[in-house]
Amino acid sequence: QKEVEQDPGPLSVPEGAIVSLNCTYSNSAFQYFMWYRQYSRKGPELLMYTYSSGNKEDGRFTAQVDKSSKYISLFIRDSQPSDSATYLCAMTRSGTASKLTFGTGTRLQVTL
Amino acid sequence: DAGVTQSPTHLIKTRGQQVTLRCSPKSGHDTVSWYQQALGQGPQFIFQYYEEEERQRGNFPDRFSGHQFPNYSSELNVNALLLGDSALYLCASSLVGTKNTEAFFGQGTRLTVV
Repeated sequence: QKEVEQDPGPLSVPEGAIVSLNCTYSNSAFQYFMWYRQYSRKGPELLMYTYSSGNKEDGRFTAQVDKSSKYISLFIRDSQPSDSATYLCAMTRSGTASKLTFGTGTRLQVTL
Repeated sequence: DAGVTQSPTHLIKTRGQQVTLRCSPKSGHDTVSWYQQALGQGPQFIFQYYEEEERQRGNFPDRFSGHQFPNYSSELNVNALLLGDSALYLCASSLVGTKNTEAFFGQGTRLTVV
């Protein structure tokens, strides 16, 4: 069993929809939770990170962490075609950019 | 401000050969991590270098080795290449000692082994 599980999709939604992306994990030592966006043929770029449980909002993006359930989510409001990409969740034990454990990534397609 | 740069962007090698990939970290960063991303998969941690030493290592064989130079740039070496080594190799840089866990990634080197 992988430490981090993520549905690979693909997920196709119409423009303007609310998108929900999720990951589950098994290692309770994870303390920092991140969401990366990766466009085709590019490296991942950090969207948001959250320490421990709770919510964090940044513009159209909201990240949620529920450590009791070992479940994290990313919500995208008013989705745009430019949001079409692969979204990777990642986790670490410490706060010093050490080893990141990634999910498989969910491929998102926002259609006109 | 230049971000993380990797070279080359693409290369093709034959099974059994050796390859060296290069990475220059983001300005001000002192730590470099390497990841392997197979097609359709998330990146897998190979190792991390800080102060010219390997600090952490993932579950990769000894065929994978690295080096960090005094200017913080880094190399990833893979010996005795296998077909299964075909992947996108990503370099990420960060600054040790900060609570912000943001690691900045380069756009990667796509390695094809034939």
